[in-house]
This record gives sequence, structure tokens and C-alpha cells, in this order.
Amino acid sequence: SQQGEEDPQALSIQEGENATMNCSYKTSINNLQWYRQNSGRGLVHLILIRSNEREKHSGRLRVTLDTSKKSSSLLITASRAADTASYFCATEETSGSRLTFGEGTQLTVNP
Amino acid sequence: KAGVTQTPRYLIKTRGQQVTLSCSPISGHRSVSWYQQTPGQGLQFLFEYFSETQRNKGNFPGRFSGRQFSNSRSEMNVSTLELGDSALYLCASSFTPLEETQYFGPGTRLLVL
Repeated sequence: SQQGEEDPQALSIQEGENATMNCSYKTSINNLQWYRQNSGRGLVHLILIRSNEREKHSGRLRVTLDTSKKSSSLLITASRAADTASYFCATEETSGSRLTFGEGTQLTVNP
Repeated sequence: KAGVTQTPRYLIKTRGQQVTLSCSPISGHRSVSWYQQTPGQGLQFLFEYFSETQRNKGNFPGRFSGRQFSNSRSEMNVSTLELGDSALYLCASSFTPLEETQYFGPGTRLLVL
């Protein structure tokens, strides 16, 4: 079963705009990770934020984590057509089980 | 360094058959996890192996099994295939289970007719 929910399910923007995706989860976590998937292929790890961190940056990516609300957001700035993909959040729970994924957000960046 | 490889990439089976999928982790990685991705259920954790031992198992029926060899390569087996087993099966590896980042392979797409 899915740990969390992602919002929105689909997002369509123009190149150059920013894209924000949200993720909520239910249990205590060690960390939260964001992955990208192109057209039903393998997952590419984007960024990891630990439970004691509130914000993290990597290139055009910015991730925030609010453990009190059990939620995270991924911001992609200055989007490009190549950013078109599905984005998943995944949590590593304190119970020690491996990653539990959200339902994903399908991002379409129009040139 | 080569990434995670999975074979075969595509597979078509019929109901009742069994299937074996293979995963070769990144060189030096000893932890291998398997995930199933379907449109209805999304991405779900199947099991994790480390040093030839299953460490964690997701909520899947006993028809789903796996193993890991001494060279860290892993196989998963699904017996008595059902239509609902049609999915993308993804393998991920890391140095150890404690390592936070997993590296995913391209997946094996299984179609059950």
C-alpha cells in the first residue's frame, strides 16, 4: 500500500516556469527521497532529505520537509522540456522497511 | 561503473506459468531490493536481500519469492502467474541496507496474458 499521497497528480507548465509538487506521508521516517521516472523506465534518484533537515537544494531542485505535518515539497525552478517525467516521493520509515513510494506526479513541461 | 542491469527487459507469459527475473547490482553493492510498479497500486516494495539473506519482505503472496547469490546477483520468481502480476519489476541496489540512496535498474516489463 502507498505510504503517501502526491499532489497534484498531473501538472502541465510552460518552459521556464517553476513546478511545485507536494507529498504527504503517514508514519515516522528516517528520510524522504524524490525520484524521477521517464516513460515507465527505471527510477533516477534526485535528492534526499533527512528527518532532521528542513530544506535542501541541488541545482534547480529545492526540497522542503515538515515532519510535524508529515509533508514535503519539491520545487523545480526554470523548468525545461527535458524535465517532463513522473516524480515520486519515497520514504524510508523508522521501522526499517525499504522505500515506500507515493503515487507520483506527472509533470509535463511544454516548450 | 556499470549501472544496475536487469534481464530480460520484456517478457510475455500466460496465466499459470512461472517466471524468473534477474538483477545484477552495481559492482560492490551487496544489497538488492525489488519493487513492483502497476498503474493501480503504484510502486510497491517486494523484498530486500543482503549477503544472500532476505532482510525485509513486503506484503505480497508467497507466489513471489527471491534469492541472492554470493556475487550479489539476485533473482525473483513468480509462480502461478495471474493477470494482475503484469507490471514493471524494478530492482535497486546499494552498498548496504543502511545506505540511504538506492540505484535503480531499467526494469523488466512483464505482461501476463
